[in-house]
Amino acid sequence: EPEVTQTPSHQVTQMGQEVILRCVPISNHLYFYWYRQILGQKVEFLVSFYNNEISEKSEIFDDQFSVERPDGSNFTLKIRSTKLEDSAMYFCASGDRAWRRTEAFFGQGTRLTVV
Amino acid sequence: DQQVKQNSPSLSVQEGRISILNCDYTNSMFDYFLWYKKYPAEGPTFLISISSIKDKNEDGRFTVFLNKSAKHLSLHIVPSQPGDSAVYFCAASVADAGNMLTFGGGTRLMVKP
Repeated sequence: EPEVTQTPSHQVTQMGQEVILRCVPISNHLYFYWYRQILGQKVEFLVSFYNNEISEKSEIFDDQFSVERPDGSNFTLKIRSTKLEDSAMYFCASGDRAWRRTEAFFGQGTRLTVV
Repeated sequence: DQQVKQNSPSLSVQEGRISILNCDYTNSMFDYFLWYKKYPAEGPTFLISISSIKDKNEDGRFTVFLNKSAKHLSLHIVPSQPGDSAVYFCAASVADAGNMLTFGGGTRLMVKP
């Protein structure tokens, strides 16, 4: 069964450093998303991406964040200068363009720890 | 911002019985609702969804009920199995919002053998 894969599974970084979280969405999907879940809190939407551009972003997704689809398969989230409060589980998701609202399929997540 | 709320942080049910997980929402623009299941160290897994034009959707042991006037939805699992033990999230989306999902806080379901 096709799945969304994320690497690395765990990333530890020093405050102020740049990190890139990588995702390989399901191959025929057209919509791509990043969500995050701070420990003990809700899963929160960060950004959606379609047709090579951001279609929606939340207040969390400020200038420190960027997304890119550098080739036909990868979808990345970059955090330019990490802060302690960026520590969270980051989930990539993808969806197809079905006639009904797409059910996003999630990857297993990358745990980001900022020290 | 509590547009989607799951008021029960946990629920314990005996194997074979019915599990009922509840979810309330405040945004009347939501028109599509989903339930996800999440095991520790894994991403959310889609379970079942319902459009606002329906009031019930069934898939095997899982049924979702939507009461639009009350802005309430529920997930019924019958019969409950120990493997159903996980955190369950309800989520909602609005037609023109890029399929962005707004999640509830989750309910931890424990099914006892």
